[in-house]
Amino acid sequence: KAGVTQTPRYLIKTRGQQVTLSCSPISGHRSVSWYQQTPGQGLQFLFEYFSETQRNKGNFPGRFSGRQFSNSRSEMNVSTLELGDSALYLCASSRSRAQLNEQFFGPGTRLTVL
Amino acid sequence: AQRVTQPEKLLSVFKGAPVELKCNYSYSGSPELFWYVQYSRQRLQLLLRHISRESIKGFTADLNKGETSFHLKKPFAQEEDSAMYYCALTNSGGSNYKLTFGKGTLLTVNP
Repeated sequence: KAGVTQTPRYLIKTRGQQVTLSCSPISGHRSVSWYQQTPGQGLQFLFEYFSETQRNKGNFPGRFSGRQFSNSRSEMNVSTLELGDSALYLCASSRSRAQLNEQFFGPGTRLTVL
Repeated sequence: AQRVTQPEKLLSVFKGAPVELKCNYSYSGSPELFWYVQYSRQRLQLLLRHISRESIKGFTADLNKGETSFHLKKPFAQEEDSAMYYCALTNSGGSNYKLTFGKGTLLTVNP
C-alpha cells in the first residue's frame, strides 16, 4: 500500500511569508503527527491530530498551526516565517493514537526561509 | 518532563567491529523505548522497540530501568549500517501519543 506522502517536497520562502504543508496518511490511518527536524535540535514534536481534532501539542509558538480533514489528510501552517523555521518537516501516521509502534513517516518537506 | 539523551553525535567504527549506540532517558512514568534509523536519502523508519525484544538486522537493545538506558548494540557492524540513529520515548500504553526523540547519532562504518 502507498506510504505517507507529503507535498511539496521542497519549498523556499522569505521571512514574513506564510506556508502550508500537506500530509496524506496511509489509507486507514487516522492519527497524524508532525515533527520538525533540524541539525541543531533534532526531531521535535509539533502536534498530533486525530478525528479532525488537535489532541496534543509540542512547545512551539502559535505561528505553527494545523488541521485535519475528514479523510484524515492534514495540513500544517506556519505564519510570519522566521529564518529559524528552516527545517525538514516530517509527518507520521498511525492507525490509532496508541499505535506509535506502527507509526510510519513521510519523506518530509524541506522548508528554506531566506 | 521526558527527555532522551544520545551522548554521541558521531560514531565511527570499522566493518566487523562491535558497535554500541548509547541512549539514556529521563521519564517519571513507565516508558516505551524505540530506535529509529534514517539511511541516506530515505525516510525515517522504526528499527526496533523494547517491548518486542527482537533483533532486527542484527541489532538488539535492552531496556535497563535501573540505569535508565536503552543502548543499541550489534556485534559485527556492516557498511550498510551507516545511517543516523535516533532513540525515542513515549509513555507505556501510549497515552502521551507523541514521541520524544534524542538528537541522534550518525554511525559511519568504514570498510
